[in-house]
This record gives sequence, C-alpha cells and structure tokens, in this order.
Amino acid sequence: AQSVTQLGSHVSVSEGALVLLRCNYSSSVPPYLFWYVQYPNQGLQLLLKYTSAATLVKGINGFEAEFKKSETSFHLTKPSAHMSDAAEYFCAVGGSQGNLIFGKGTKLSVKP
Amino acid sequence: DTAVSQTPKYLVTQMGNDKSIKCEQNLGHDTMYWYKQDSKKFLKIMFSYNNKELIINETVPNRFSPKSPDKAHLNLHINSLELGDSAVYFCASSHRAGPLIKGQFFGPGTRLTVL
Repeated sequence: AQSVTQLGSHVSVSEGALVLLRCNYSSSVPPYLFWYVQYPNQGLQLLLKYTSAATLVKGINGFEAEFKKSETSFHLTKPSAHMSDAAEYFCAVGGSQGNLIFGKGTKLSVKP
Repeated sequence: DTAVSQTPKYLVTQMGNDKSIKCEQNLGHDTMYWYKQDSKKFLKIMFSYNNKELIINETVPNRFSPKSPDKAHLNLHINSLELGDSAVYFCASSHRAGPLIKGQFFGPGTRLTVL
C-alpha cells in the first residue's frame, strides 16, 4: 500500500530565503508523486508531478522537487520565498486505482 | 471557462437534513472523484467514477451516495447529515488512461457545515 509522510506541519521562512518542504513516500511499485498547493479558502492546484521521467522535476511558480529512490523522498524546494507562496502544501502518491493518497500537509508561512 | 466547478461553495445546514453537492468538469475527462478534507486539512478519497461507473468506494457511510448522470458530472448526495460530516468536499477529474501521469484537477471545494 502506498503512503506519504510530510515532515513538519508548519514551516516558516523569511522572504527571499530557501523553501524546503519534506516528503517521504512508501510504495510497493514505482511511484507517481505529486505536490499540490492550497491557498486559503481555495481548491488544490497542481505544482508538479513525478512520473518516472527526469528525477528533478520543475513546476510552476519556481518550485522544483527531486525524486530520490534511495531515500524514498520527494522534497519540494524553491530558492527564494515570496510572500505569495504562503499556503498549505500537500504531497501525494498515486494509488493503485488512480486516486491520490495525500500527506497531512505542511503550512508554509513567509515572514517579511 | 472554469475547468472543474462545484456548487454550492458554502453549505450550512441542520443535523438530519439531506443535501446535495454538484460537480461539473469541462476538461473532457472521463473519471471524476470526491475527496473529503477534514478540519485538520487531511484529504482522503471517497469515491471515483469512470464513465458513470463506480470505481472506488472507500469506507464511507451509506448516507453518502454519489451519482454520475454523465461523464462530465458527479454529484454527491448526503442523507441524514451528522455533525461529523462537516468538512470541505473536493471534486476532481482526470483521464482514465493515465490519471496519475497527467494528474488530477480539483474544483474549488464545498465547505459543508452541519449545525
């Protein structure tokens, strides 16, 4: 069975600092991995996805994630945080029936 | 030109009532999903339909019944609402062939509050 663990329910960074949101997965088959962002009172927007092509995946808004099989990780990074990045971020792994299995989310706060 | 739309956006109702949430997608997808996000922001699949056929039916109370009149619509009907049903319900859609390759697209959510 697939599962996802997001380390840190809340991450706070200063504007301009590196953003690092951690995600570890468990999967008995080669995984499909996703990062979604949820802005306050809005739906989920796909940031990026890993589908067994390149291990370094670039997404929207300057985010990227690296798939590391040896570490079963798919951490999300952005070199320089912007105030508009403040949101809830969800890591997800693809389920056996095409559904998404989500982590518990990490709330990113950006300080001026 | 909204891709996945849900109505209503907010729903406040009394315990014991019956309510429906509607979802429509104009992406040409053939698979649709309902996810529930609880008060702690945890998201979990409830149902999925492919071309009006039920594919996933997680351990959800029988009071919840999805209905798909066509592949562009997936509605969620809830009978005898309980306090614990208060949550945000998200509809999503994808292509059946490669829902994980191409990703799923989510609606804006319906915030249900049961008093």
